[in-house]
Amino acid sequence: KNEVEQSPQNLTAQEGEFITINCSYSVGISALHWLQQHPGGGIVSLFMLSSGKKKHGRLIATINIQEKHSSLHITASHPRDSAVYICAVKGAEGSQGNLIFGKGTKLSVKP
Amino acid sequence: DSGVTQTPKHLITATGQRVTLRCSPRSGDLSVYWYQQSLDQGLQFLIQYYNGEERAKGNILERFSAQQFPDLHSELNLSSLELGDSALYFCASSASGRGYEQYFGPGTRLTVT
Repeated sequence: KNEVEQSPQNLTAQEGEFITINCSYSVGISALHWLQQHPGGGIVSLFMLSSGKKKHGRLIATINIQEKHSSLHITASHPRDSAVYICAVKGAEGSQGNLIFGKGTKLSVKP
Repeated sequence: DSGVTQTPKHLITATGQRVTLRCSPRSGDLSVYWYQQSLDQGLQFLIQYYNGEERAKGNILERFSAQQFPDLHSELNLSSLELGDSALYFCASSASGRGYEQYFGPGTRLTVT
């Protein structure tokens, strides 16, 4: 079993829909990242969370440390949101700085 | 633009060859991480350097090696290349060795034929 699991693997939505991508992890963490990878391959860091909720524009990320679960929400989705969204966790305090990645959720938003 | 640069963008080479990938971190960042993204494995951590010293090692093959130079740029050397080494190689940098905020470079796409 992977240490970081994402669902769904693939998601197709119509423009304007509310989208949720889920991430569950099995290890102790000090931070969780949501990354966006564009079709060209570049990776952009969207959020880094250690508790609660963060919002940036139409994107909202939440984390529940007790349940070891995080969600990424996109409101009023747009075709330019089409990308692969990757959840990554950083181990507990005192561990190495590297990230452990989920396999990604491929989102396609149709006009 | 993350401020992290990687060269080259694309590299096509033959099996058995050796290549060097280069990464320049964001100004002021001391830590560099190398990650491999292949179609079947997803993103995997290879190795981390902090201020010139190896800090952590992940799933890095013995045929691969890396170093970080005094000016903080890093190189990833891949030798005796196999078809399965074809992948996107990303580097990321962070200010500290604890990796809370990591900024990713654009990646180098390696194709081994």
